[in-house]
Amino acid sequence: GAVVSQHPSWVICKSGTSVKIECRSLDFQATTMFWYRQFPKQSLMLMATSNEGSKATYEQGVEKDKFLINHASLTLSTLTVTSAHPEDSSFYICSALDRVGGQETQYFGPGTRLLVL
Amino acid sequence: AQRVTQPEKLLSVFKGAPVELKCNYSYSGSPELFWYVQYSRQRLQLLLRHISRESIKGFTADLNKGETSFHLKKPFAQEEDSAMYYCARPNAGNNRKLIWGLGTSLAVNP
Repeated sequence: GAVVSQHPSWVICKSGTSVKIECRSLDFQATTMFWYRQFPKQSLMLMATSNEGSKATYEQGVEKDKFLINHASLTLSTLTVTSAHPEDSSFYICSALDRVGGQETQYFGPGTRLLVL
Repeated sequence: AQRVTQPEKLLSVFKGAPVELKCNYSYSGSPELFWYVQYSRQRLQLLLRHISRESIKGFTADLNKGETSFHLKKPFAQEEDSAMYYCARPNAGNNRKLIWGLGTSLAVNP
């Protein structure tokens, strides 16, 4: 159980276009999901916390107009990179928070590799 | 500010040797602590949490409140243990985000 999927797994786009990444919790409901960036051989950088039915909470330094987050259902959150530029090329990872028996656990998606040309 | 510190960026050991990956946290009441692992080309996954007090894949981690540490240990490392290991704890506020260490890359050599 507790599987999180991401789509697409990789995407190449032209500079200036927008890219949408989907994160789904397949067998549990998640009121809270998280979006991260991971640079090669580096740690995770939390971008924002996605809350179902309300606005996302962005980390300091992350542009909310650049990285649009929508969490319209208990199993789906989307991250849209608007007007993407080469510096947005990265590995984007989502996680979903599962609460079972009073314990919370973040389950991670496989990640989406974005390359902006 | 809350912090999770993993002082070693890279740890290299030989197969069969003991391994200890260090994690220290900034004090904030009774913390919840996790170890996550990321094998090559795989997603990040939970390895263990201190509340469970269990051993996963031969790894254990003991919370030492006096030293504010949660070091991950395994008595005999295996090649398949080679991976990136992250220590994390929940943020103390209402947001349920995790505070992450920078990670330690473990290389187990044959």
